[in-house]
Formats: sequence, C-alpha cells, structure tokens
Amino acid sequence: EIVLTQSPGILSLSPGERATLSCRASQSISSSFLAWYQHKPGQAPRLLIYGASSRATGIPDRFSGSGSGTDFTLTISRLEPEDFAVYYCQQYAGSPPRTFGQGTKVEIK
Amino acid sequence: QVQLVQSGAEVKKPGSSVKVSCKVSGGTFATYAISWVRQAPGQGLEWMGGTIPMSGRANYAEKFEGRITITADESTNTAYMDLSSLRSEDTAIYYCATGADAYIWGSLDYWGQGTLVTVSS
Repeated sequence: EIVLTQSPGILSLSPGERATLSCRASQSISSSFLAWYQHKPGQAPRLLIYGASSRATGIPDRFSGSGSGTDFTLTISRLEPEDFAVYYCQQYAGSPPRTFGQGTKVEIK
Repeated sequence: QVQLVQSGAEVKKPGSSVKVSCKVSGGTFATYAISWVRQAPGQGLEWMGGTIPMSGRANYAEKFEGRITITADESTNTAYMDLSSLRSEDTAIYYCATGADAYIWGSLDYWGQGTLVTVSS
C-alpha cells in the first residue's frame, strides 16, 4: 500500500499570499496518478487536480499541481477567502486500494 | 452530469450494522468505479473500498476487511456500503464517489452529499 505524507499539517497564511502544499509518497506513483481535493466543513470534498497537474472542470487557474515519482506539490498562487479549507492528496495508481494523505489545513493568519 | 444521492443519517448501537445507499444518475452506472470514503470527527479522509458494478467484485481497504460489504444493484443504479460490528470509532460521515471515466479506478470527480452515521449506546 502506498502511504502519502502531507506537509505541513497546518499552513497559516493571509488572503493574497501564496500557498505551497507538499505530498510525498512512500513509493513512486506511476503515470502521476495523483489527485488533490479541497474539503470544507459541511460539504463533500471537491476534486481540484488529477494526473498530478491537470485542473478539474471549473477549477480556477490559481490552483496548480506539479511533481512526479514520489514528490508532488499543490500551489495556490494567491489565496482567496474561499480557499481556506483542508486539502488532501490521493493516489490512484494501479489496482485498489486507494489512499489519501492526512491533509493540510490552510487557515487564515 | 453525474449525480450521487445518498441515504439519510443513521444512529446505530455498538455491535450492530449499517447499510448506506448511493443512487447514481447521469451516466452508465455499471461501468463506474464507485468508492466509499469516510471522515471521522477531527480526522482525515479514509478510503474504505469500492466496486465497478459490472465486474460483480469489490475491493476493500485492509482495515475494513471482514466488516465491510460493498454491492451494487444495476436495476436501480444504486450502490450500497454495509458495515458491521459497529463501534464508536465508526461514527463518521460516509461518502460515495466516482470518477468521470468508465472502467477506471481514477480520481474521484463526483461525490455524494455524505451520510452521517452515529454509533452510540
């Protein structure tokens, strides 16, 4: 099973600042089968990025994903008030099981 | 547009079972890889298992093996997650989710609204 480790656990930033979130895998993820999700209280998670770097439908271009192998990054170029949430990475390489990282909370400083 | 609608909140006693349903519309149900994900209070997202209905098989996270059964009814486009031997730690919001592509265990593009299961004596 691939273990995903996200860092930092909490990121305290102000609106307008840049957020950089990291996701490290315990083994190489083939074909960059890695996704990022945004999760807010009382809502279902929302897919932001798939294939490590492709934005899902309707996702603003301030969200970008990068990386390959074992190291992946989600960048939010300029934080908007609605971006304060918890972010998870998830791998979907090969056959199940699937795993999520433990999450990074982006909070208002 | 694929939509997933889940059954309502449940309150269960420790040791009992719960069955949550997920009705899928807007796509070819039998070909979608449907996953079940939960979030316990104060915890992160946890993948529990899933199925591609036309395969007739399910895959489970090792943690839940022996306690979980995931099934799908192609006649009603509904997937089910049955969790037995409930304990307080199973109190969580349970989500079903699926991807945009047929036959592929891909990213989770579409999500149900979530079902709160509370386990309490």
